[in-house]
Amino acid sequence: EVQVAESGGGLGQPGGSLRLSCAASGFTFSNYWMSWVRQAPGKGLEFVANIKHDGSEKFYLDSVKGRFTISRDNAKNSLSLQMNGLRAEDTAVYYCARLIRVSFGYYFDYWGQGTLVTVSS
Amino acid sequence: DIQMTQSPSSVSASVGDRVTITCRASQGVSSWLGWYQQKPGKAPKFLIYAASTLQSGIPSRFSGSGSGTDFTLTISSLQPEDIAIYYCQQANSFPLTFGGGTTVEIK
Repeated sequence: EVQVAESGGGLGQPGGSLRLSCAASGFTFSNYWMSWVRQAPGKGLEFVANIKHDGSEKFYLDSVKGRFTISRDNAKNSLSLQMNGLRAEDTAVYYCARLIRVSFGYYFDYWGQGTLVTVSS
Repeated sequence: DIQMTQSPSSVSASVGDRVTITCRASQGVSSWLGWYQQKPGKAPKFLIYAASTLQSGIPSRFSGSGSGTDFTLTISSLQPEDIAIYYCQQANSFPLTFGGGTTVEIK
């Protein structure tokens, strides 16, 4: 059974740092793009970052470029999001999601339950 | 970036009714569009890809159509368990982007 599970959320200070982790199981992790998607309280879904199976390509939401870094460890089946320079608008539930490619399209087919990040002093 | 616009923002219908949600892309995405269902307090669930193909295990009362810039998600006979927020997502180019969501409620 495919599973992804996030950890590492919590309270962060404005300008501070947090690191999110995602543990994957039930599939060959090294064969898939992986992503982080967030959802601010009462708001819709927003792509944050994704990373190619071998880590050679990464894409970021414009508002997190230079502050957030996505990385992966295929030996440990894990995905991470290092969040620096936190802002109040980063407050959200952060989901780890697997990306699949179907023909020329990329879709989020499996999602974790999410981890809440709150940025406040 | 490709902007995705959904309408309506909410819809209220009776059990058994047909419900249609539309999604419009700011530029053509061919058929590379997905739909997701999110129930309160839960993670999104992947429903449809390539505009019209149901993911495994999704009930046949759900269907999708469209290409280019205009797409629809239809629930042919609304069931109580379909109460959720539905999101479209363009799958054509990075950054992948979502519509703002449509809340489906029971009248």
